[in-house]
Amino acid sequence: GESVGLHLPTLSVQEGDNSIINCAYSNSASDYFIWYKQESGKGPQFIIDIRSNMDKRQGQRVTVLLNKTVKHLSLQIAATQPGDSAVYFCAENIGGGADGLTFGKGTHLIIQP
Amino acid sequence: GAVVSQHPSRVICKSGTSVKIECRSLDFQATTMFWYRQFPKQSLMLMATSNEGSKATYEQGVEKDKFLINHASLTLSTLTVTSAHPEDSSFYICSARGFGRVGTEAFFGQGTRLTVV
Repeated sequence: GESVGLHLPTLSVQEGDNSIINCAYSNSASDYFIWYKQESGKGPQFIIDIRSNMDKRQGQRVTVLLNKTVKHLSLQIAATQPGDSAVYFCAENIGGGADGLTFGKGTHLIIQP
Repeated sequence: GAVVSQHPSRVICKSGTSVKIECRSLDFQATTMFWYRQFPKQSLMLMATSNEGSKATYEQGVEKDKFLINHASLTLSTLTVTSAHPEDSSFYICSARGFGRVGTEAFFGQGTRLTVV
């Protein structure tokens, strides 16, 4: 079945640099996308979301970009800090959040000192 | 943000026994709760959706008789793994969405690590 996919399983960046985590999705009917951060042994933590009627949304140090033409989603983290080390998942939904989420495979972000 | 609490955070049980996991929304009423399962170094997979006062809806491939879900109140959903086997060992995570938060994020619990020996 269709699912949200992953571009890179591990991303290593220098502390202070910007991080870009990518995600591909295949279900063109998806209209709601969320990025989550998961630390080891914990549940997912909401970072930022975006609806399909937008192509960019900014939060504190994070930006999500949505390209519906190529079904691509990205998370940009500015000035990466050690506390940003975690696995990041994109998730998709149809119906604006009414149903359960389909998660991507995750990217492990490693911060180099 | 809203708080969703799971209990227990870790549980070890013997093969063949049943285990109950609780998911509570602490500061809002959850009309819908979702149960996910996550194997090591893998993503979360939706198991079922439960709405308060009605039967849960299970995803394809998830045995409803093995994973019993009860959502009897607006603040509590339970997942019971019946006749657990080692292959049921996993990280189980719930999320909840409720009044005033329709159509937006669901909040996740901290997860329950189940180990069946």
